[in-house]
Amino acid sequence: DVKVTQSSRYLVKRTGEKVFLECVQDMDHENMFWYRQDPGLGLRLIYFSYDVKMKEKGDIPEGYSVSREKKERFSLILESASTNQTSMYLCASRFGGWGREGRYEQYFGPGTRLTVT
Amino acid sequence: AQTVTQSQPEMSVQEAETVTLSCTYDTSENNYYLFWYKQPPSRQMILVIRQEAYKQQNATENRFSVNFQKAAKSFSLKISDSQLGDTAMYFCAFMKQGSYNTDKLIFGTGTRLQVFP
Repeated sequence: DVKVTQSSRYLVKRTGEKVFLECVQDMDHENMFWYRQDPGLGLRLIYFSYDVKMKEKGDIPEGYSVSREKKERFSLILESASTNQTSMYLCASRFGGWGREGRYEQYFGPGTRLTVT
Repeated sequence: AQTVTQSQPEMSVQEAETVTLSCTYDTSENNYYLFWYKQPPSRQMILVIRQEAYKQQNATENRFSVNFQKAAKSFSLKISDSQLGDTAMYFCAFMKQGSYNTDKLIFGTGTRLQVFP
């Protein structure tokens, strides 16, 4: 079974704090993703990575950065948390490239509900 | 740019009945994949069903089937014999088949389905 785990289910931080959200997958997936999920807006891509030390901006990267030092781990960093970053954060992973049937299925973690006060 | 639209924010259905969730998308691509993901309350998002654009036959997975109309850019999900465990948020998603490693899922805003006993 593919497993994508996230370091916290619930997190409360203060405005201005530096926040780290960690994601780990155990299926040797090349691609990893960070989304935020807000009611009425669906899932919006923040950043993704297709290889170690590689990162690409998604649709809403402002106020976030990422780190991928090891293949299995992808971290999302809020440099200075703000109240408008209160949200559910979802990590996901999948195989890179095309070819074998089913390699494009994306697997999600349980999510981290972050509240910034 | 591709967009995915789910026009039904909420739906409800009685147990054992059939329900159809709508999804439309906009793209100029010819090769792509479409997905339905399910997010149960407080649980991880999982893939329900996928459809390859080059396949004319509609995908089915047990009680779940799709009606894929490529020319109309429509991709609806039919749930037959609804069960209480089908209560969840359902997301329609699109992914073009393009550059190695860099293709991303584009999600709709979701439909919250409630199954009543």
